[in-house]
Amino acid sequence: DGGITQSPKYLFRKEGQNVTLSCEQNLNHDAMYWYRQDPGQGLRLIYYSQIVNDFQKGDIAEGYSVSREKKESFPLTVTSAQKNPTAFYLCASSAFKALMNTEAFFGQGTRLTVV
Amino acid sequence: DAKTTQPTSMDCAEGRAANLPCNHSTISGNEYVYWYRQIHSQGPQYIIHGLKNNETNEMASLIITEDRKSSTLILPHATLRDTAVYYCIVRSTGANSKLTFGKGITLSVRP
Repeated sequence: DGGITQSPKYLFRKEGQNVTLSCEQNLNHDAMYWYRQDPGQGLRLIYYSQIVNDFQKGDIAEGYSVSREKKESFPLTVTSAQKNPTAFYLCASSAFKALMNTEAFFGQGTRLTVV
Repeated sequence: DAKTTQPTSMDCAEGRAANLPCNHSTISGNEYVYWYRQIHSQGPQYIIHGLKNNETNEMASLIITEDRKSSTLILPHATLRDTAVYYCIVRSTGANSKLTFGKGITLSVRP
């Protein structure tokens, strides 16, 4: 089945450790996005990438890093510099055809808890 | 990308139409209106999008005012499974369009 996969669904880490969240898509989408969601809040954009080997900071990039070495993969690393990393993390992808963005497809999210 | 304004919450009776408003008064000519919804603890789901004409699909209808400064998402026969947070987004066709979400509107469908 085509889609976007985030793993794992639940992740626990000790404070001070870096952790990498996986996001893979087999939709042949050009653009990929990472969002953070806190309880009762909307989605806030962390990083996004429109093409391989290129990415831009979103609204809350501090304490996070990404890479886009392959079209289908966009891993997010939550570093120890992120002061409040416990949150629900969502990855999305969308096609970019003929200068028009299409609808985005979301993964089911990773719930990260730092203790 | 332009910002949107939505009420915090609304409710409707099961089986009735749910009309969800959205203001986007600073929308520019190349920006589309998109609607997504998020059921608790899941990833958002695409519903519909449009530029200036009204749109309809199997999930909903999107009515965009002539000046494009506001829109309404219509769920024609709301069910309990439509209870969710609904996000209205405006998004340009440009290569660096960010896809920015606000807080959305919480729709509660009551039996």
